[in-house]
Amino acid sequence: QKEVEQNSGPLSVPEGAIASLNCTYSDRGSQSFFWYRQYSGKSPELIMFIYSNGDKEDGRFTAQLNKASQYVSLLIRDSQPSDSATYLCAVYGGATNKLIFGTGTLLAVQP
Amino acid sequence: GAVVSQHPSWVICKSGTSVKIECRSLDFQATTMFWYRQFPKQSLMLMATSNEGSKATYEQGVEKDKFLINHASLTLSTLTVTSAHPEDSSFYICSARNTLAGFQAFREQFFGPGTRLTVL
Repeated sequence: QKEVEQNSGPLSVPEGAIASLNCTYSDRGSQSFFWYRQYSGKSPELIMFIYSNGDKEDGRFTAQLNKASQYVSLLIRDSQPSDSATYLCAVYGGATNKLIFGTGTLLAVQP
Repeated sequence: GAVVSQHPSWVICKSGTSVKIECRSLDFQATTMFWYRQFPKQSLMLMATSNEGSKATYEQGVEKDKFLINHASLTLSTLTVTSAHPEDSSFYICSARNTLAGFQAFREQFFGPGTRLTVL
């Protein structure tokens, strides 16, 4: 079982819709959870982090964490073509004490 | 704040030569820096963790004699790919952790822009 799993996609949504990105992790001791956006040929940029169960909102982005289910998600409201990128889920803490990345989900927002 | 730079942004070299990549934290002190490698359509794979003033800790399967890491100051870490071969061609990304971040559970890492290495 991979430590951090994401659906590779592509996830295609029309402009203006809500994009829902999901991530599961295996280490129950994980403490912090991050969503990064990576455009092709560029390095990752942090969108949000969350470390408490529940929802955290920042503009059009909402991160959701459920530690009991070992599940973290990212919702993007009013999706724009500029949101088209690969979204990386990263998990920190637990046994490894390192930031572990998922393989990423490619999001394509159709104009 | 929290800007990390890398130099060069891209490099092309001949097989057998060595290449040095610099990673700098521009506006904060980073006692810990990380080196990642990313192949096309794959995720970031941690190569090594670099601590200022001490030897780097390499991940399993990463050759420490091939990928030399030096972290001589709180703002600079270097990765040298020795005797590079075409299979070393990849996107190398460094990141740094802000030692003043505070909250223990929060481990945000700030990423550099990456260096694309092509070995001919």
